[in-house]
Amino acid sequence: LAKTTQPISMDSYEGQEVNITCSHNNIATNDYITWYQQFPSQGPRFIIQGYKTKVTNEVASLFIPADRKSSTLSLPRVSLSDTAVYYCLVGDDGDSSYKLIFGSGTRLLVRP
Amino acid sequence: GAVVSQHPSRVICKSGTSVKIECRSLDFQATTMFWYRQFPKQSLMLMATSNEGSKATYEQGVEKDKFLINHASLTLSTLTVTSAHPEDSSFYICSARPTGATDTQYFGPGTRLTVL
Repeated sequence: LAKTTQPISMDSYEGQEVNITCSHNNIATNDYITWYQQFPSQGPRFIIQGYKTKVTNEVASLFIPADRKSSTLSLPRVSLSDTAVYYCLVGDDGDSSYKLIFGSGTRLLVRP
Repeated sequence: GAVVSQHPSRVICKSGTSVKIECRSLDFQATTMFWYRQFPKQSLMLMATSNEGSKATYEQGVEKDKFLINHASLTLSTLTVTSAHPEDSSFYICSARPTGATDTQYFGPGTRLTVL
């Protein structure tokens, strides 16, 4: 399983764009990159998933360079309710034995 | 769609007792479910993989006799913490992978266990 490295914490202000970068130097050919959000005392919530280039949904964008050794989660115009822990995971979810192993995550604090 | 529930949401028990936590996939079938534990300010730690109709697979360092897992149907997995002690107090989270799907897992809301 590829190991991921993320900043431990980030601070931002309401209305700003937040970019959280994750390093995954040992990502395998079949691995996808998935980001989850977790609020205190809740289960993680799926945000976005991608394999290469750029993926966008109604919540976020995910940028993946050609070498796929890193990825950046972009949250546009954050609000106070985006304060949470964000986890980056990589793995082959086409493999029935795939299991999600969480790293330390990035604790995002959005200030008014 | 893709909702996973857990029951109870929180439980307080005395040391030495056993506690059962249920994880249900409400609108899909899940051959595989996963159990995690999370201590305050820490990340989720995978405890075991629960497979319907077969024995669970435990991660290294997790005592299978202490954390009993039963996955008797395609929509229900249970985790029983036997002879609970204060150090077992934690946030327990399950997730479920839809049967036949290769996409992401869906997480339950978690169960807060406090052992006095």
